[in-house]
Amino acid sequence: AQSVAQPEDQVNVAEGNPLTVKCTYSVSGNPYLFWYVQYPNRGLQFLLKYITGDNLVKGSYGFEAEFNKSQTSFHLKKPSALVSDSALYFCAVREDSNYQLIWGAGTKLIIKP
Amino acid sequence: EAGVVQSPRYKIIEKKQPVAFWCNPISGHNTLYWYLQNLGQGPELLIRYENEEAVDDSQLPKDRFSAERLKGVDSTLKIQPAELGDSAVYLCASSLRTSGSDEQFFGPGTRLTVL
Repeated sequence: AQSVAQPEDQVNVAEGNPLTVKCTYSVSGNPYLFWYVQYPNRGLQFLLKYITGDNLVKGSYGFEAEFNKSQTSFHLKKPSALVSDSALYFCAVREDSNYQLIWGAGTKLIIKP
Repeated sequence: EAGVVQSPRYKIIEKKQPVAFWCNPISGHNTLYWYLQNLGQGPELLIRYENEEAVDDSQLPKDRFSAERLKGVDSTLKIQPAELGDSAVYLCASSLRTSGSDEQFFGPGTRLTVL
């Protein structure tokens, strides 16, 4: 069965420092991996995706994520955090043969000035 | 390009009353999703449409929830009668199913409060 884990409910980072939001997954086939961000009272916004190819994926707002097949992880990263990055981040996965997305529980990212 | 449009943004009703939510997807997107999101949690799929066909409604509580997408464009999700536990944000998303990935684009959601 497919599953996604975001092991941290909340991540606190000082502005200007690098940030990492963790995601691990479990699928039977090839994974399609996604990161979304949700600001308060807003819908989810697509950040980036991994389908195939280069393991390092670059996305919106300076975010990037690294696909690690051996560790079944897809951690979200940013070299220098901004206060405006504070939001709820969701990782999602689906198999290449199944269109249903499985969502993580979300990680609240707090960037302190 | 206009995004996914949902209305209303907020709805407060008494329990046992009916309620309906409307969604207009991004033009040209053939796949439409309805999700339920509780506070601080990830979205839970209720139903997925490919054009006008509901291809996955296994998570839809069919005793009180119904949905339609008659012309394969906009969609309506209805709850009748509403229960206290239905209070949540109802999200609509759309995507263009291609041979590659199909990232979903979300509307702002409808926040339902059942009193």
